[in-house]
Amino acid sequence: DADVTQTPRNRITKTGKRIMLECSQTKGHDRMYWYRQDPGLGLQLIYYSFDVKDINKGEISDGYSVSRQAQAKFSLSLESAIPNQTALYFCATSDPKRYNEQFFGPGTRLTVL
Amino acid sequence: GQSLEQPSEVTAVEGAIVQINCTYQTSGFYGLSWYQQHDGGAPTFLSYNALDGLEETGRFSSFLSRSDSYGYLLLQELQMKDSASYFCAVHQGGKLIFGQGTELSVKP
Repeated sequence: DADVTQTPRNRITKTGKRIMLECSQTKGHDRMYWYRQDPGLGLQLIYYSFDVKDINKGEISDGYSVSRQAQAKFSLSLESAIPNQTALYFCATSDPKRYNEQFFGPGTRLTVL
Repeated sequence: GQSLEQPSEVTAVEGAIVQINCTYQTSGFYGLSWYQQHDGGAPTFLSYNALDGLEETGRFSSFLSRSDSYGYLLLQELQMKDSASYFCAVHQGGKLIFGQGTELSVKP
C-alpha cells in the first residue's frame, strides 16, 4: 500500500464550485505539505503543517484553505474554484528530523472549467 | 525574496555524464536538495547537501558551495530511465522552495 495517498486522483469542476482534495499518510510523519505544479514548472508551496495544531501559509495560499484533521490527514480546499487553479496538486510528508526528504503522494489533477 | 535558477532542458546520450546546475538567492539557507520527477508523477528525493562538498549516492552525486550559492547534480552512466525532470530545492525553516526544474532527455 502507498504511504501517501491522495483523493481524488482526477477532478473536473466548474468555476465557482467548492472542492476539497484529501491527503492521508501512513508514515507517521508530523509534517505535511500541499504543493501546486503548473505544466513545465516547479512545485509551489501552498500550505504546510508541522503538527495537528500548526498551519502555515506558503508561497501561494490565496484562494486556498487547509484543515489538519489528524496527524495522518491534511485536506486542501478551494472555496470558489477558478480556471487558473487548474493544475497538478501534490501532498507531501516529512519526518521533522529529516525534513529535507519529503515523500510525495501521486498527485491530483484538477481541471476548473 | 528567494529565487533558484536551473537550466530548463539538458540532453545527453546513454552512458554519458551530465551535470545539472542550480544557483540560488535566498535568506535563511539550511541546505539544498534534489528531486526527480517522471512525467508528472510523484517527485522522489535524490540527494541533500547541508555542507559544502560532494555527496555520492550510487550513480548520482550532488555538490554544494555555500559561498557561491551554487550546487549541482551529477548523473553518471546515464540510462534511458534517467530521462525525467530534476528539481533543486532550498531549505528554509523546515520547508522547501523548489526551482522550476530541468528536463533531462537521454538519447540512445
